[in-house]
Amino acid sequence: GDSVTQMEGPVTLSEEAFLTINCTYTATGYPSLFWYVQYPGEGLQLLLKATKADDKGSNKGFEATYRKETTSFHLEKGSVQVSDSAVYFCALRGGGSNYKLTFGKGTLLTVNP
Amino acid sequence: GAGVSQSPSNKVTEKGKDVELRCDPISGHTALYWYRQSLGQGLEFLIYFQGNSAPDKSGLPSDRFSAERTGGSVSTLTIQRTQQEDSAVYLCASSPRQGAGNEQFFGPGTRLTVL
Repeated sequence: GDSVTQMEGPVTLSEEAFLTINCTYTATGYPSLFWYVQYPGEGLQLLLKATKADDKGSNKGFEATYRKETTSFHLEKGSVQVSDSAVYFCALRGGGSNYKLTFGKGTLLTVNP
Repeated sequence: GAGVSQSPSNKVTEKGKDVELRCDPISGHTALYWYRQSLGQGLEFLIYFQGNSAPDKSGLPSDRFSAERTGGSVSTLTIQRTQQEDSAVYLCASSPRQGAGNEQFFGPGTRLTVL
């Protein structure tokens, strides 16, 4: 079945540091890939997505590129802010299903001033 | 406009009791999903509705779990004879329709604690 593996946290960075959160996946067919973010006390929000190989999703300074050859969708940001502190989830949809999201376990990011 | 809402936001219950969790999707969204977020298991898919029908119940962990949706809108997730391992945050999401390209919008969740 489909699965997502993301780096375990917690990740602690200083403001303006470079962020990478690794995500790899296993899926049949051609999944769509997502990063969701959960800020403290809030619900899950879609951060960015990519629907086919070599697509780059981007939002709020975050980027991730759909790499079919390495089955990866790593999240990056060049300069993090304190307000980026949150839990980040990598997810996929598709392959055998065009509605069910399969999530990674989440990575807690804390950015210190 | 209004997002997905869930009630209650927190529920504490005793082992063996039944609980009902409610989800109000975004108006006009035909697809509705339930997920569970628990420590150690992450986010797990439970069930999916298209209109009032549930074509995929494969994620429901046991026959103590059931869900229904009425009028193509509100959905209720019922857990009978709750167990401590049912403690989790139950998330509801909706989308305009199922299929590729349709973003799922999540509610804030119901935190269930079974004592």
